[in-house]
Amino acid sequence: DQQVKQNSPSLSVQEGRISILNCDYTNSMFDYFLWYKKYPAEGPTFLISISSIKDKNEDGRFTVFLNKSAKHLSLHIVPSQPGDSAVYFCAASRGDSSYKLIFGSGTRLLVRP
Amino acid sequence: DSGVTQTPKHLITATGQRVTLRCSPRSGDLSVYWYQQSLDQGLQFLIHYYNGEERAKGNILERFSAQQFPDLHSELNLSSLELGDSALYFCATNKAGAYNEQFFGPGTRLTVL
Repeated sequence: DQQVKQNSPSLSVQEGRISILNCDYTNSMFDYFLWYKKYPAEGPTFLISISSIKDKNEDGRFTVFLNKSAKHLSLHIVPSQPGDSAVYFCAASRGDSSYKLIFGSGTRLLVRP
Repeated sequence: DSGVTQTPKHLITATGQRVTLRCSPRSGDLSVYWYQQSLDQGLQFLIHYYNGEERAKGNILERFSAQQFPDLHSELNLSSLELGDSALYFCATNKAGAYNEQFFGPGTRLTVL
């Protein structure tokens, strides 16, 4: 049972344009969502997060949108840069005593110069 | 650099063997989470320890076990290894006041031949 889904395994975008990465979830008990970026041979790096009480969070070029009714979130990167090329993972937590993360399968972003 | 360290970086072993992976959290962090990433998949939560006690368990095989020591480092023990255990194993920590955001180590790549 995959509770967090990233249905696009890959995305290619021109440098300077917007990258939009999508994520869907099924568990309505999730109350916190995160995006991680991962380069080969490295651990995931925290990028941005959003609480379920918000619908938008912005940090520089990165914005995360949350649509609770649709159980959908997205990460917007504007403008995209070649250095953004990596695998992006969406993750969710329930805020229980553990705060363990449930991850999607990832989307590989390629930003073309 | 997240400040979370993992050793070894690479491990190659044979089926049926036993290995131990080590994780040291950042100074002051009480939690250690273990995740497994099989080829081109998302990270799967295995187990969470907090201040020496098991806090949550995911889909961890009975052949796998973990513990957290008084100095807060953690070890993940994998026994009777099978080819399918080949994966990246990550540990992560979080910090008081920002429990939802986890910081990952660089991972241990386990190859079972």
